[in-house]
Amino acid sequence: EAQVTQNPRYLITVTGKKLTVTCSQNMNHEYMSWYRQDPGLGLRQIYYSMNVEVTDKGDVPEGYKVSRKEKRNFPLILESPSPNQTSLYFCASRKPGLANTGELFFGEGSRLTVL
Amino acid sequence: GNSVTQMEGPVTLSEEAFLTINCTYTATGYPSLFWYVQYPGEGLQLLLKATKADDKGSNKGFEATYRKETTSFHLEKGSVQVSDSAVYFCALKGGNNDMRFGAGTRLTVKP
Repeated sequence: EAQVTQNPRYLITVTGKKLTVTCSQNMNHEYMSWYRQDPGLGLRQIYYSMNVEVTDKGDVPEGYKVSRKEKRNFPLILESPSPNQTSLYFCASRKPGLANTGELFFGEGSRLTVL
Repeated sequence: GNSVTQMEGPVTLSEEAFLTINCTYTATGYPSLFWYVQYPGEGLQLLLKATKADDKGSNKGFEATYRKETTSFHLEKGSVQVSDSAVYFCALKGGNNDMRFGAGTRLTVKP
């Protein structure tokens, strides 16, 4: 089954404790992206990656890091989480090249609480 | 830059009522427009899309028409069901593949 898988789905942590949210897709998509969803703000892009070893900042990259060492994986790293990073996070991917219709395929989300 | 504005919710309707969720956009060039739906506890999934002016996207009884003259892409359904309860997001893809989302509108349909 074609899917985007995120882990963990739920996490409660404390300020300053490094954490990683993993994202994996099995559709051989080149493009992957991270979003955060906050009430009244919709989805805002954190980082995106056009392909392996190619990453770029989105609208709200502060406090986050990403890496893209393999096509299927795109982990989101919070080196020193703070309470304002409490949010619902989504990973998404998109078909490459001419097959790209703009449709994004989303994971189920990771709800992060930073105390 | 590109942006999307959609009507604030929440919206509560009775089953079989008519639904409209307004969406307007600001963009340079000729964007593609989308509606995504998020059911409780799930990620977003594409509901419908339109890629050029006057195109009508449709799926599962939902429709939206790309109106360039009014820069709008309103979502409509003639008769909603309880199973349509979800959060609906209007989105825009610009020429550089930049995707912008609206704030989302929560719809609750009561039996």
